[in-house]
Amino acid sequence: SQQGEEDPQALSIQEGENATMNCSYKTSINNLQWYRQNSGRGLVHLILIRSNEREKHSGRLRVTLDTSKKSSSLLITASRAADTASYFCATANTGGFKTIFGAGTRLFVKA
Amino acid sequence: GAGVSQTPSNKVTEKGKYVELRCDPISGHTALYWYRQSLGQGPEFLIYFQGTGAADDSGLPNDRFFAVRPEGSVSTLKIQRTERGDSAVYLCASSLTAGGGNTQYFGPGTRLTVL
Repeated sequence: SQQGEEDPQALSIQEGENATMNCSYKTSINNLQWYRQNSGRGLVHLILIRSNEREKHSGRLRVTLDTSKKSSSLLITASRAADTASYFCATANTGGFKTIFGAGTRLFVKA
Repeated sequence: GAGVSQTPSNKVTEKGKYVELRCDPISGHTALYWYRQSLGQGPEFLIYFQGTGAADDSGLPNDRFFAVRPEGSVSTLKIQRTERGDSAVYLCASSLTAGGGNTQYFGPGTRLTVL
């Protein structure tokens, strides 16, 4: 079964608005990663946050991690139509190398 | 350099047939992963290799599924006696080494349809 759960399942916003997606997981993790997927094919790695980090930025992306709540959020600022995609969080368990993905948030940015 | 490639991009087969799906990882990447993704779901871990050995195959759903990586580079996922429920996109990824801190680079996937 998949460990990560994204929320919301789908999100529709206007271009220029911010998009926030949340992820919860169940067990202790080594790190958490966010991926993007267009059209149901290959995933693209966006950002990795380690278990001892609380916040990380990359361009218009901001990721937070709260290990006490076992949750993470991905914020995309000033969204663009090209950001339309599915976004997945993925966790690697402590001491393991198996990566577990959540079901994803489908983001639609209207031009 | 080239990214992860997967062949074929699409495979249509009949129930009960045998299929092989191929993955060419990024050159020099020692870790290779297979995932399966059904419509509307996230990728589901199947197996990962560190070098030639299957370091964790706990995600393989049953003994009809098998994967090899004989020379530590190209990997083949083999599915025997295919069933309609095997229909999905099979994704391959590679990383420089195994370990959660290493970025996985994904191929475009093979869409398997079992009729």
